[in-house]
Amino acid sequence: QSALTQPASVSGSPGQSITISCTGTSSDVGSYNLVSWYQQHPGKAPKLMIYEGSKRPSGVSNRFSGSKSGNTASLTISGLQAEDEADYYCCSYAGSSTPVVFGGGTKLTVL
Amino acid sequence: EVQLVQSGAEVKKPGESLKISCKGSGYSFTSYWIGWVRQMPGKGLEWMGIIYPGDSDTRYSPSFQGQVTISADKSISTAYLQWSSLKASDTAMYYCARSMGGKWEPWGAFDIWGQGTMVTVSS
Repeated sequence: QSALTQPASVSGSPGQSITISCTGTSSDVGSYNLVSWYQQHPGKAPKLMIYEGSKRPSGVSNRFSGSKSGNTASLTISGLQAEDEADYYCCSYAGSSTPVVFGGGTKLTVL
Repeated sequence: EVQLVQSGAEVKKPGESLKISCKGSGYSFTSYWIGWVRQMPGKGLEWMGIIYPGDSDTRYSPSFQGQVTISADKSISTAYLQWSSLKASDTAMYYCARSMGGKWEPWGAFDIWGQGTMVTVSS
């Protein structure tokens, strides 16, 4: 059981927007602005898409955005494209005893 | 180009030891934390631990403390993940990744990833 809870799957049609939630607790997501999101295509290494909750690394499309409300972080992908089909993982700092935790991952299907 | 290059796939028997590597290039290897992430077949990502090659400061997830050893040789810009006695349940893909933060920001996001090392443990 992962420390952060994500939906197992989401889907959307090309051009639509989708949001993936990542629910933690007041000990992790709720307490720190250190949520990151990763995209992983089959057989590939993960790729950083969002860091510190809402910042995009250089080279990542502005169709990807991150936000947080309370103990839940969210990744929104607008203008869905076929290439966005992948697994997405959230990640958060969780304090000194269990430093970093990942969500269980969400499979995004572009219909 | 900033990159992390990991050692090749390994097939081992239960009880054997193993050390896999992750070589950094294109940046100051001693100035960024390097982490290790496990991905078991068909499963999600698990944070194992991180090391700061500049002074070998190391932090572990409680789930992996005592099960693996993370080390680094800054003279050759290489980090390592080591097992003394492998189990079948160690079968997984292992990724190394660079944390964005410096020495005082060990919990930064992983911005650069290695290609992964597949470890298979089977009798």
